[in-house]
Amino acid sequence: EIVMTQSPATLSVSPGERATLSCRASQSISNNLAWYQQKPGQAPRLLIFGASTRATGIPARFSGSGSGTEFTLTISSLQSEDFALYYCQQYRSWPPITFGQGTRLEIK
Amino acid sequence: EVQLLESGGGLVQPGGSLRLSCAASGFSFSSNGMSWVRQAPGKGLEWVSGISGTGGSTYYADSVKGRFTISRDNSKKTVYLQMDSLRVDDTALYYCARGVAVAIDYWGQGTLVTVSS
Repeated sequence: EIVMTQSPATLSVSPGERATLSCRASQSISNNLAWYQQKPGQAPRLLIFGASTRATGIPARFSGSGSGTEFTLTISSLQSEDFALYYCQQYRSWPPITFGQGTRLEIK
Repeated sequence: EVQLLESGGGLVQPGGSLRLSCAASGFSFSSNGMSWVRQAPGKGLEWVSGISGTGGSTYYADSVKGRFTISRDNSKKTVYLQMDSLRVDDTALYYCARGVAVAIDYWGQGTLVTVSS
């Protein structure tokens, strides 16, 4: 099973600043990585797939990068609605599909 | 518009059974693999099970293998999760989601399963 590790667990950033979230896979997953955003009481929403492709309707301030075992989600200028939980997920080697434990992005 | 509507959750005693359903609309159902993903209270996301578009291939997490069974009825555009021998640690919000071997692009709102005596 591929283990996904996200860091940090909690990230405190001021509105308008940049946020950088990391995700590491225990073995190479090429670019088979997705990022999701989850707000309280809501289902997850797909942000990024293929490590760097924005899903439909996702603002350009969200970008993904990386390949192999190291991945990054960058939010270039944080808006109030961006403070939420973020999960990475690999779909290279399955079953099982595996998620990271999440990064909570909070207002500083 | 893609919609996934789960139902069937509820309170069940340890060792009991529940059958979850997910009614899909707004896309070519039989062309898409489907998954169930769960989230225990205050915890992260855990993929539980997946099924191919035809229903010919099914997949399970080790934590539920032998206890849960996924199936689908393409004529009804519905995917099911039969959950037997339920345990306290199966308590979670269960999401129906579109996608198996790809990124999951649509999620339902979830149905809550509580296993407690």
